[in-house]
Amino acid sequence: ELKVEQNPLFLSMQEGKNYTIYCNYSTTSDRLYWYRQDPGKSLESLFVLLSNGAVKQEGRLMASLDTKARLSTLHITAAVHDLSATYFCAVVSKAAGNKLTFGGGTRVLVKP
Amino acid sequence: NAGVTQTPKFRVLKTGQSMTLLCAQDMNHEYMYWYRQDPGMGLRLIHYSVGEGTTAKGEVPDGYNVSRLKKQNFLLGLESAAPSQTSVYFCASRDRGLGELFFGEGSRLTVL
Repeated sequence: ELKVEQNPLFLSMQEGKNYTIYCNYSTTSDRLYWYRQDPGKSLESLFVLLSNGAVKQEGRLMASLDTKARLSTLHITAAVHDLSATYFCAVVSKAAGNKLTFGGGTRVLVKP
Repeated sequence: NAGVTQTPKFRVLKTGQSMTLLCAQDMNHEYMYWYRQDPGMGLRLIHYSVGEGTTAKGEVPDGYNVSRLKKQNFLLGLESAAPSQTSVYFCASRDRGLGELFFGEGSRLTVL
């Protein structure tokens, strides 16, 4: 059974500082997604990571994938208030029947 | 370019009533998913489909049924609604290739 775990569950950030969110998963992954969700809204796609060593960056966010360690990280550089949201990772695994399984989410609050 | 459309967006039901949520996508995607999201929680997979005429159970399938008679539509049914099914329901779809996942806006269901 595919399990996806994120940590931390909650992250209180100071503006200008750097932070990392971790996403661990239990079986072989065929792709990994990162999403952002604002309160009361749907999910906004951030990154799709397809292969080992993949790194993608958009603005202050950078995501990487290590398939051997079954670990993805979302790095936030110089946090700003606009990044306050909940961040989810999700994993698709053919070995798990093409289910798309989400982590529990990391709620991020950036304080001035 | 509608993407993924969910109907209805809001619904209030009484315990024991039935209803169907419709997810429609216009991108010719093979894979479609139904999730529920409870307050402060992540997304839990209810059912999913890997192609027209196929369905499979996710993590929390009890009390729900699904059908995918047409490739573009994925229906989620509640035969006898219970208060525990009060939630926000999200539909998502993706293709077989690069696999970007597209979400609908969500359907907020309240069961009294």
